[in-house]
Amino acid sequence: SAVISQKPSRDICQRGTSLTIQCQVDSQVTMMFWYRQQPGQSLTLIATANQGSEATYESGFVIDKFPISRPNLTFSTLTVSNMSPEDSSIYLCSVPTGGRSNEQFFGPGTRLTVL
Amino acid sequence: AQKITQTQPGMFVQEKEAVTLDCTYDTSDQSYGLFWYKQPSSGEMIFLIYQGSYDEQNATEGRYSLNFQKARKSANLVISASQLGDSAMYFCAMRERNDYKLSFGAGTTVTVRA
Repeated sequence: SAVISQKPSRDICQRGTSLTIQCQVDSQVTMMFWYRQQPGQSLTLIATANQGSEATYESGFVIDKFPISRPNLTFSTLTVSNMSPEDSSIYLCSVPTGGRSNEQFFGPGTRLTVL
Repeated sequence: AQKITQTQPGMFVQEKEAVTLDCTYDTSDQSYGLFWYKQPSSGEMIFLIYQGSYDEQNATEGRYSLNFQKARKSANLVISASQLGDSAMYFCAMRERNDYKLSFGAGTTVTVRA
């Protein structure tokens, strides 16, 4: 199984600022995903972080608001830009192990509160 | 259209009893995978169990088993011998095709009573 870490684990930010969330995996993985979970809601996929190319965003999410970097096969960052209180959520990165195990793991999450 | 439906917002179960969490799904793909995750109040997502659409046997992992009824498009999670530590939110999710993207249901909150 993959071990995934995220930084920071939580943060409280002011409206209009930006926060960059880091996701580190203990092994090389082809695919990494970023999800958002708004308070009391389910998880929604933000984007697929592609190594060596631009991220692929889901409907309703744009690069200007959620820029993503994927410099190598073990690391990715998600930036939440120009934050508003509506961005208060848990942000989670996820990696599939693929193969026969068919497991898909999540990082511990970053709990963001925007005031 | 909703791909994953979990109709039980919350459930109470007595310690040591079994509980079944309902999940129905909608897909036109022949190849897909179904997942269950546990989310305690800490917010982490803990992988519990996986069922592939072509798997003939129902998946089991310790006290967790998945009751897969393909024709009815349901993938219910059964937790046997409930423990106080099982109190959490449980999400059903589906992965279609081979793109590894997950679609999640709304979740079911399970509270285990002593």
